[in-house]
Amino acid sequence: GNSVTQMEGPVTLSEEAFLTINCTYTATGYPSLFWYVQYPGEGLQLLLKATKADDKGSNKGFEATYRKETTSFHLEKGSVQVSDSAVYFCALSDNYTGANSKLTFGKGITLSVRP
Amino acid sequence: DGGITQSPKYLFRKEGQNVTLSCEQNLNHDAMYWYRQDPGQGLRLIYYSQIVNDFQKGDIAEGYSVSREKKESFPLTVTSAQKNPTAFYLCASSTGQGTQYFGPGTRLLVL
Repeated sequence: GNSVTQMEGPVTLSEEAFLTINCTYTATGYPSLFWYVQYPGEGLQLLLKATKADDKGSNKGFEATYRKETTSFHLEKGSVQVSDSAVYFCALSDNYTGANSKLTFGKGITLSVRP
Repeated sequence: DGGITQSPKYLFRKEGQNVTLSCEQNLNHDAMYWYRQDPGQGLRLIYYSQIVNDFQKGDIAEGYSVSREKKESFPLTVTSAQKNPTAFYLCASSTGQGTQYFGPGTRLLVL
C-alpha cells in the first residue's frame, strides 16, 4: 500500500535559518504530493503541491520538488520566521482515475523557530 | 466566503453516550472525508464519501458512523462502541483533483 515517511522531530531553529524537512514515499503509479501546515489548535492548510515528476511546488517562500528517482518531496525554506512555527505534514494522493482521491499522510513534524 | 465549518469546537462525551460532530461545506465539492488526529501521529481516515447517499469505510471506521444526505453536509457520529474517542477530528472536502481542504476541527474529550 501507499506510505509516507517523514523525518523524526521536533525541529528547533533560530530565525533566518535554512529549513529542510525530509519526506519520502512509497506508492504505485504516479501520485500527487502535498505539504500541509497545521498551526496550533487549527485544521490543516495546503502549503504546496506537485502533481508530476520534476514539478516544483512553491508558496510563502517554501519549496519542494517531486523527485521520482529518489521517491522524495523534501520541503525547504531559505530563511524561516517565528510565524513558521507549526506542524508540517507530507501527503500523497493515489490519483485513481474517475475517483476522488484519498490522501495518505506522514506523521507530521513540529517546527519551532526561536527569535 | 467559501469554506468548511465544523462544530462544536470542543465536545464532551460521557461513558456510553453517542455524540455527533457536524461538518458543512459551501465549496460545492462532491467528496468529503473524516480524519482522526492523535498526538504524534498523522491523520487517519475514518470514513469518506464521494457522492451524496454513498460513503465508504476508511482505515479506522469501527465505532463510528456517518451519513451523506446532502452534498453540503457529512456528520460523524462517535458511538459508545468507540472505546478511545479522545482525539482531534478533522473534516475535509475535495473536488476530486487530489487537493483536500480542511475544516478547523473538533476536539472530543471524554468525561
